[in-house]
Amino acid sequence: QKEVEQDPGPLSVPEGAIVSLNCTYSNSAFQYFMWYRQYSRKGPELLMYTYSSGNKEDGRFTAQVDKSSKYISLFIRDSQPSDSATYLCAMSADNQGGKLIFGQGTELSVKP
Amino acid sequence: GAGVSQSPSNKVTEKGKDVELRCDPISGHTALYWYRQSLGQGLEFLIYFQGNSAPDKSGLPSDRFSAERTGGSVSTLTIQRTQQEDSAVYLCASSFKDKSGSSLYNEQFFGPGTRLTVL
Repeated sequence: QKEVEQDPGPLSVPEGAIVSLNCTYSNSAFQYFMWYRQYSRKGPELLMYTYSSGNKEDGRFTAQVDKSSKYISLFIRDSQPSDSATYLCAMSADNQGGKLIFGQGTELSVKP
Repeated sequence: GAGVSQSPSNKVTEKGKDVELRCDPISGHTALYWYRQSLGQGLEFLIYFQGNSAPDKSGLPSDRFSAERTGGSVSTLTIQRTQQEDSAVYLCASSFKDKSGSSLYNEQFFGPGTRLTVL
């Protein structure tokens, strides 16, 4: 079993829809939780970062972390065609040098 | 400012050949990471450099893989006797860490990757 599990999709939604992306994990030592966005043939770019449990909102994006359930989510409101990309969750623990453990990535397509 | 750069962008090689992949991190970044992204897979950690400390090589899949970082800046990932299963996108990332080497927040900036195809 992988340390981080993420449904690879693909996920296709109409423009304006609310998108929910999720990851589960098994390592209770994870404290730092990130969402990266990766466009085709590009490197990933950091979208959201959360430390420990809680919610964080940035514009149309909301990240949630539930450490008790070992479950994290990313919500995208009013999705746009430009949001079409692969979304990767990533996690790290203290004293790991910042080594990130990634989920498989979910491929999202937002149709106009 | 310049981001993380990698070269070559694409590399096609024959099975059994050695390849070298290069990464130029963001100036001033002390930490450098290599990851591998295979088709249908997430990013897999390979190796991590932080300043002058011994690198964390725990993710290297076999002894055919090695990496070095010269002068605390540029890094080279070498794959010897390449196999078809080595075909993947190899991504480099860098981040800034303070002098203590610790960081509460470790944003890693990724390069565009090198797409390696082993025939």
